[in-house]
Amino acid sequence: AQKITQTQPGMFVQEKEAVTLDCTYDTSDQSYGLFWYKQPSSGEMIFLIYQGSYDEQNATEGRYSLNFQKARKSANLVISASQLGDSAMYFCAMRGTASKLTFGTGTRLQVTL
Amino acid sequence: NAGVTQTPKFQVLKTGQSMTLQCAQDMNHEYMSWYRQDPGMGLRLIHYSVGAGITDQGEVPNGYNVSRSTTEDFPLRLLSAAPSQTSVYFCASSRGVGQYFGPGTRLTVT
Repeated sequence: AQKITQTQPGMFVQEKEAVTLDCTYDTSDQSYGLFWYKQPSSGEMIFLIYQGSYDEQNATEGRYSLNFQKARKSANLVISASQLGDSAMYFCAMRGTASKLTFGTGTRLQVTL
Repeated sequence: NAGVTQTPKFQVLKTGQSMTLQCAQDMNHEYMSWYRQDPGMGLRLIHYSVGAGITDQGEVPNGYNVSRSTTEDFPLRLLSAAPSQTSVYFCASSRGVGQYFGPGTRLTVT
């Protein structure tokens, strides 16, 4: 069975600062993928970044980077230079060999002036 | 490409009524899935399909049926709606890494 844990229900960050959203996972699969999604107040799910379990380098997509620590089973999302538009719910998810996505409960990020 | 489309966007049902949530994608994706999202929770997998004619149960399948007669369409059927099925429903499709989500259907069962 797969499990994703996001322990931060809510986070605040000042504009232009960096923020780290935590995600730990548990799986018995050797091959798996880790995802981060953003859900703004409008409700849609927006794909941000992906990390494969065999990828040696941490994934980056613009201001988003994924701090992947395989031994610790963590896949934290780092957002650099936060913007007001980054205020949203953020979900960590994992896909194992069965191709099914398992989601965490999410972290609500609020960016302040 | 329209991506993943879902209809309707909003629906109110009475307990015991049946309805079908529609999902279509025009990206020729083999994998499609349905999730529900409840307040304070992440998305939970209801049913999924790895190709036309093949479906399987996810984490919370009870009360829902699916079929996949074509690659493009993956409808979700509620046979007898219950208040516990009040939720936001997302359809998604993928081929490879990325999973693309539809805009969601907000369903209320009274």
